[in-house]
Amino acid sequence: DAKTTQPNSMESNEEEPVHLPCNHSTISGTDYIHWYRQLPSQGPEYVIHGLTSNVNNRMASLAIAEDRKSSTLILHRATLRDAAVYYCILRRREGGTSYGKLTFGQGTILTVHP
Amino acid sequence: EPEVTQTPSHQVTQMGQEVILRCVPISNHLYFYWYRQILGQKVEFLVSFYNNEISEKSEIFDDQFSVERPDGSNFTLKIRSTKLEDSAMYFCASRDLGAGRSYEQYFGPGTRLTVT
Repeated sequence: DAKTTQPNSMESNEEEPVHLPCNHSTISGTDYIHWYRQLPSQGPEYVIHGLTSNVNNRMASLAIAEDRKSSTLILHRATLRDAAVYYCILRRREGGTSYGKLTFGQGTILTVHP
Repeated sequence: EPEVTQTPSHQVTQMGQEVILRCVPISNHLYFYWYRQILGQKVEFLVSFYNNEISEKSEIFDDQFSVERPDGSNFTLKIRSTKLEDSAMYFCASRDLGAGRSYEQYFGPGTRLTVT
């Protein structure tokens, strides 16, 4: 599986935007970029995913570099509830021997200050 | 909103005993997964299950582990003879066919397994 690199931790203030970076220089053409987060004492939760174009949903935005070797998860206005571990994961396109397993790294611990 | 449920929330067992962790995936989902997370470590994939058979498994998922979908609603993980190192949080996840936007996996709240 292609590897992702994220900062160990980041801090933000409440109601400010947060940009969480992820490097994935060995990404292949069939890899989707997924972001999940894990709130304290909970299971992982899907945030957003993309392939080549930037994506927006109700939770966040995903900005993907033109060469796809990096991406940034954007939380437009951080709240205390956004304090979590954020995981950037490359998921292989379905087919062959891939059935969508997720390979988690250590992620980025996001601390949000009131 | 539909959700994945897991029981029990906490299971304590003695080394060498068999345990069964239970999950009820979201009803129209067709792909099922088990992951585990040892305290303080990353989430690790164990196994995926589709069309009533294992579709992919990790090195962790050895002969001591098995999965089953006994009745069309439950999805279980059995550990035949637990070891101390099996102590972890076990997460079940499910996903639908993946058409369109539905690639996300929905995770349950987890079962904390403590082996003494």
